Amino acid sequence: AQTVTQSQPEMSVQEAETVTLSCTYDTSENNYYLFWYKQPPSRQMILVIRQEAYKQQNATENRFSVNFQKAAKSFSLKISDSQLGDTAMYFCAFMKYLGGATNKLIFGTGTLLAVQP
Amino acid sequence: DGGITQSPKYLFRKEGQNVTLSCEQNLNHDAMYWYRQDPGQGLRLIYYSQIVNDFQKGDIAEGYSVSREKKESFPLTVTSAQKNPTAFYLCASSIRSGASSYNEQFFGPGTRLTVL
Repeated sequence: AQTVTQSQPEMSVQEAETVTLSCTYDTSENNYYLFWYKQPPSRQMILVIRQEAYKQQNATENRFSVNFQKAAKSFSLKISDSQLGDTAMYFCAFMKYLGGATNKLIFGTGTLLAVQP
Repeated sequence: DGGITQSPKYLFRKEGQNVTLSCEQNLNHDAMYWYRQDPGQGLRLIYYSQIVNDFQKGDIAEGYSVSREKKESFPLTVTSAQKNPTAFYLCASSIRSGASSYNEQFFGPGTRLTVL
């Protein structure tokens, strides 16, 4: 069974600095998708970035980038130039194909990031 | 605007009562999902549906029931059999992307259920 582990329950970073959130996962599948979701105090789940396992190039979205190490099953999120609005819970997730048009997201336990002014 | 709506935002229930959480989407998505979120845990899948009149159990379906009579709607009933129903419930939907197995899930704003 697939599992997702986030070993950092809480992190703090100064505004404008860079922070890296860690995530490891376990799967026997060769092709899959990985995601980072952000959940601010409003509790709305917001997709931050996604990575397709067969792509060697790390995904980037503006200030957000990932370091995807397939052999090590590691998928960390780097936030550059941190902003106060980045304060949120961040979840790493693995997408498991269920069949037809459906997938299941398997989530880690989350990392609570606080950006300090 | 297209999106997913969940109602109510907050819901209180007495022990022993059934309660139904609403989820509606106007994105024309085929698949819909219900997740449960507890403190210190990630989201866990309760039920999912690929198409109207079809649904499947997820990882923690005991004590819950669903229906899918319309493409746009996927209500979740929390029954009295659910031992610990106090949690945050999130609904999601997705659309098939061609031949790919990847279908991005879009989430609603959630419902906070508290059992008194």
